[in-house]
Amino acid sequence: DAGITQSPRYKITETGRQVTLMCHQTWSHSYMFWYRQDLGHGLRLIYYSAAADITDKGEVPDGYVVSRSKTENFPLTLESATRSQTSVYFCASSESISDSGNTIYFGEGSWLTVV
Amino acid sequence: GQNIDQPTEMTATEGAIVQINCTYQTSGFNGLFWYQQHAGEAPTFLSYNVLDGLEEKGRFSSFLSRSKGYSYLLLKELQMKDSASYLCAAWRLDSNYQLIWGAGTKLIIKP
Repeated sequence: DAGITQSPRYKITETGRQVTLMCHQTWSHSYMFWYRQDLGHGLRLIYYSAAADITDKGEVPDGYVVSRSKTENFPLTLESATRSQTSVYFCASSESISDSGNTIYFGEGSWLTVV
Repeated sequence: GQNIDQPTEMTATEGAIVQINCTYQTSGFNGLFWYQQHAGEAPTFLSYNVLDGLEEKGRFSSFLSRSKGYSYLLLKELQMKDSASYLCAAWRLDSNYQLIWGAGTKLIIKP
């Protein structure tokens, strides 16, 4: 049971480069999310997806692009990385959110440093 | 506005009991989660409350008062492995995707 996996786990990139963080889940969950976590802040939602080919912005979407051509994959792209995007990125998934008690499951995280 | 507040850090002794508080203000409310996050790891689910009252799961219990916008997580018989951050998160009723997250409470357990 692989669950939800992210790659790369650790990445150092230069300002201005494009970076893609991959996320793959094996549960066939409908909902997938990308969060960033910074010291002193709670998890902040970047983008989410309710199903394949359906995505929407979260709280902090600027500078990020997502796609979801298949249910199991939800890549996050930083089009032109900036130092302010240095963070830990968590992908997450949930079977449903119509029942608000549905648990959100997190991937292991991707540590991104932009220099 | 939308806001969740929890203490930044707490310290407790192995074997003791600790209560971590969380207060929330959301435009509509539809349930509250507690997650545990060890350093360098992903958050993992602990509990979910939507009705007032106490829910007990082994050494961990979670309480909710909707009228007061208040929740707490109670940890009993503390073990060193309980050293972690504890995240509180509330659903916004006016949005079908938004969980509002607190910044987390770092719990330090001392022998």
